[in-house]
Amino acid sequence: DQQVKQNSPSLSVQEGRISILNCDYTNSMFDYFLWYKKYPAEGPTFLISISSIKDKNEDGRFTVFLNKSAKHLSLHIVPSQPGDSAVYFCAASVENTGNQFYFGTGTSLTVIP
Amino acid sequence: NAGVTQTPKFRVLKTGQSMTLLCAQDMNHEYMYWYRQDPGMGLRLIHYSVGEGTTAKGEVPDGYNVSRLKKQNFLLGLESAAPSQTSVYFCASSYSTVLHYGYTFGSGTRLTVV
Repeated sequence: DQQVKQNSPSLSVQEGRISILNCDYTNSMFDYFLWYKKYPAEGPTFLISISSIKDKNEDGRFTVFLNKSAKHLSLHIVPSQPGDSAVYFCAASVENTGNQFYFGTGTSLTVIP
Repeated sequence: NAGVTQTPKFRVLKTGQSMTLLCAQDMNHEYMYWYRQDPGMGLRLIHYSVGEGTTAKGEVPDGYNVSRLKKQNFLLGLESAAPSQTSVYFCASSYSTVLHYGYTFGSGTRLTVV
């Protein structure tokens, strides 16, 4: 059973606007959450992370929010740029389990110029 | 600085054939991983290693074996390939503290079993 879910397979946003990508999880033991970005024919690249002791983490245009009670996290990209068009994966892990991450199915973001 | 290198990039196998996928990293990472990506399934962990000479099963280990004889290399073996193993395989590596850097992934191996 999928422990990490991304229920929106795709999202289109105008350049300059905000992109919000959502992720839900079922395992309340997850401590670490990561977001990855993937271009076609390439491996995923690490984008931003958050641990369960925080509810927000920012890195430039990217902000991740964590709502532990709702088992929900989101990635905000502001402002969105055409180069942000890619597939975004969220991933979650339990501390001290060898960094085994469970990945969502991905959301394909298209930023329209 | 090559990062994580996977070979081969593409391969077609017949059912029952065997093969080994090679992963090499030059970042002195302690941990290494093999994932497979299938449509609608995201990435699923096959096996992983927390150090030279160690391996452990992930979420979907059946039909695969791994070895980590050297810190920089992690091999994934298919002893008798099946069509269900048609997938894109990604190798990754990381420090033991993954939160700030995440994994570094290779560019993938596309395997088709006919």
